[in-house]
Amino acid sequence: GAGVSQSPSNKVTEKGKDVELRCDPISGHTALYWYRQSLGQGLEFLIYFQGNSAPDKSGLPSDRFSAERTGGSVSTLTIQRTQQEDSAVYLCASSLSRGRDTQYFGPGTRLTVL
Amino acid sequence: AQSVTQLGSHVSVSEGALVLLRCNYSSSVPPYLFWYVQYPNQGLQLLLKYTSAATLVKGINGFEAEFKKSETSFHLTKPSAHMSDAAEYFCAVSEIKVGGNEKLTFGTGTRLTIIP
Repeated sequence: GAGVSQSPSNKVTEKGKDVELRCDPISGHTALYWYRQSLGQGLEFLIYFQGNSAPDKSGLPSDRFSAERTGGSVSTLTIQRTQQEDSAVYLCASSLSRGRDTQYFGPGTRLTVL
Repeated sequence: AQSVTQLGSHVSVSEGALVLLRCNYSSSVPPYLFWYVQYPNQGLQLLLKYTSAATLVKGINGFEAEFKKSETSFHLTKPSAHMSDAAEYFCAVSEIKVGGNEKLTFGTGTRLTIIP
């Protein structure tokens, strides 16, 4: 079946603008994760959705970042009033259920804030 | 709290030589451990994972890793490097939490270069 897809693949925006990044997980996967990968850095956990439970938002770096997951499937990560330090590759992953399950990653969205 | 340390942000080996990428973890409970590989401009792909069964885990592309509890290590090895192995490798740990959120904590990655 289809893997995790993300859109857009690249996004260039001006400082102060809002952006929305989309993730379509693998069908049937109840867990969905967002990570940020900055140049020279590892993967920084942002947020985790598991079924209908309240999301784990402990990794969101500021209140400018938010995410939602509609109908237990598609997720949108929104960054408001973007800053240059937000420039990074944003990766989405999904898994069958929990953290111990294999996470399948999308190709990422490369965000550049000018 | 769980954490992962990958020793060596860059590793270079000759084609045909042994590949050894080091990973040490810290976890307050029995962990699950993973190695992921990232090829340029792609997402991450699972190489192998340890789930408390056999301590020697075999993965794809000839890679394997051994869980050593006494050393809190999960080093990745491959007997003979191939040019196609050039990529970035991430070690990750997930703590088993009954009824709790189980998220992965990743190391900072090791970039593997293969010398022809």
